[in-house]
Amino acid sequence: DIQMTQSPSSLSASVGDSVTITCQASQDIGTNLHWYQQKPGKAPKLLIHDAINVETGVPARFRGRGSGTSFTFSIRSLQPEDVATYYCQQFDDLPRVTFGPGTKVDIK
Amino acid sequence: QVQLQESGPGLVKPSETLSLTCTVSGGSISDHSWSWIRQPAGKGLEWIGRVYASGTTKYNPSLKSRVTMSVDRSKNQFSLKLDSVSAADTAVYYCARDRGRWVSDYWGRGTLVTVSS
Repeated sequence: DIQMTQSPSSLSASVGDSVTITCQASQDIGTNLHWYQQKPGKAPKLLIHDAINVETGVPARFRGRGSGTSFTFSIRSLQPEDVATYYCQQFDDLPRVTFGPGTKVDIK
Repeated sequence: QVQLQESGPGLVKPSETLSLTCTVSGGSISDHSWSWIRQPAGKGLEWIGRVYASGTTKYNPSLKSRVTMSVDRSKNQFSLKLDSVSAADTAVYYCARDRGRWVSDYWGRGTLVTVSS
């Protein structure tokens, strides 16, 4: 089974800061990875698909990079509405689709 | 605009079957595949499985022995059944629309199912 880890598990940053989350896969998954944002009490929302592609309608301050086993998700100029938990999801090991444990982002 | 709405009992007794339905509006169920994902309170997301418009299914191996998914094209709905539930199955259950590359691009609001006697 492919194991997904995310770091940090939580972070706190100021409005306007840049933040970066890392997602690691236990084996090569190419670019078979998506990123979702989940605000408190809400359903997840797709932000980045196939590791690097920003979903239509998602602000350009969100960015995804990486391939293979190491991936990063970045928010440039953090905004109050970005408070959420962010999850990576791999779909390489089908049908064993798995999410990372999540990274909670707060505002200082 | 595509909308999904989960429905079903909010309370299920241990050892019984959890049954949920997702009603799709603003689009045809025949045009996509459809997934169920769950989330225990305060925890992460767990993918349960996917049903294609054809009725073909793909399940999480960890739940496969207990899960059944189906599509009702006449009602534009798809459903989830989870057998022999226990307290560990207590979670918010989400339905979602899938497009290519296993992207879930539209989600329901989620429904809390509690397993308790």
